[in-house]
Parts: sequence; structure tokens; C-alpha cells
Amino acid sequence: QSALTQPASVSGSPGQSITISCTGTSSDIGGYDYVSWYQHHPGRAPKLMIYKVNNRPSGVSNRFSGSKSGNTASLTISGLQAEDEADYFCSSYTISSTLIFGGGTKLTVL
Amino acid sequence: EVHLVESGGGLVKPGRSLRLSCAASGFTFDDHAMHWVRQVPGKGLEWVSGISWNSGITGYADSVKGRFTISRDNAKNSVYLRMNSLRIEDTAHYYCARDSGSNYWAYFQNWGQGTPVTVSS
Repeated sequence: QSALTQPASVSGSPGQSITISCTGTSSDIGGYDYVSWYQHHPGRAPKLMIYKVNNRPSGVSNRFSGSKSGNTASLTISGLQAEDEADYFCSSYTISSTLIFGGGTKLTVL
Repeated sequence: EVHLVESGGGLVKPGRSLRLSCAASGFTFDDHAMHWVRQVPGKGLEWVSGISWNSGITGYADSVKGRFTISRDNAKNSVYLRMNSLRIEDTAHYYCARDSGSNYWAYFQNWGQGTPVTVSS
């Protein structure tokens, strides 16, 4: 199964909002609500930011939000801050009873 | 606080074997499925394998099926990944991760720092 499709990079200025898309198929994103997003600073453990499409774990800023439409999920970060600069990965459960990731998006805060 | 600490990585020749370990603490280990996820340097994440709370359900990525075996010891709060017939393309940073669910795959609530595996002659 091919990886989910994410843009390689996005950028924004402090205070702005950005959205990262994650496109799959009806066999993964489109078929299940187990879409999650992870923040990864190089050298550190990845961190869960959004689970089940649009839920935030305790402790994650409400500047992070998720959504899904058809086979595409999205992560929106509002009020960009310098500390948000990181790699972001989406993930989904699949019809094959596996988990699949996107290729990752590098967020640059200008 | 949840802690996941991986160990066992290193340099190994193609065709050889390696066993990764992940020691868990800070939560009720046998309430959760566990996973191994890897990242090739400069590339994206790849789910490698998962195991349910009681080892009754295991799953593998096609790229490792038949070569890797996941297991767990709830008495030791540990999960393992036995990697046989290693290939150069298995070179990656391997992460241990805790699932939110116990008997199914959902999402990765917590991750360890990972352990590097390099397969090279």
C-alpha cells in the first residue's frame, strides 16, 4: 500500500494559519475515522497532536485542529509560533488492518 | 509519565539478525497494544508491526512480513522485535509506540526516542 500524500513543505509567518493536507483512498482515510497527526522535531520522540480526525490530546494547544473530507484529511495550525517549526506526519488505519503514514511535511515558520 | 525506552539497535551485516527491546513504564502496560515504527534517515515514517495487549493479534507491514516477529512480555512491561534476514533497506531509526487501544490499531499515543539500526556489509 502506498504512503498517504502530503506536501513536502509548507511555510508561514508567525501569527498566520497554515493547513497541511493528507490524501489517501477509500481504503484508508476515506473509510475510517482513525486519522491522526504527529509532530516530529528531529532527534526527539514524535508527539501525537490530533487523533480520530479532530480530537486533541490533553496538553496540545487548541491552535491545532484537524478535519476530514472524503479521502483527504487536513491539519490546521493557527497563530503560528516559532516552536511549531517541525515535521508533521499524518496516519490512518487501513482496510488491510495495518497503519499507514504520509510522507511528512516540513513546516517552516518564517 | 509515560516512558518508552528502546534498545538493541546497532550495526549488523545483511542476512544477520537483531532483536530490539522496548521497556515501558508510567502506564498499565497490558491495557495497550504496542507498535514498532521506523524512519529511514531523511524519509517518512513506516509502520512496521503491532501487537495486541495479550499477543492474540499481531500485524506486519508487507516489507517485513516473514522476516520480523513482534512479541511482548506483560510481566516485564516490554515489547520486542526480532528481525531476521536483515536487508540494507531495513536501515532506519526504530521507534516503539503505545496504541490507544488494546485489541486493535488506532493511533500512537506515545513514542520512545528510538534506536538506530544500520544494515551494512
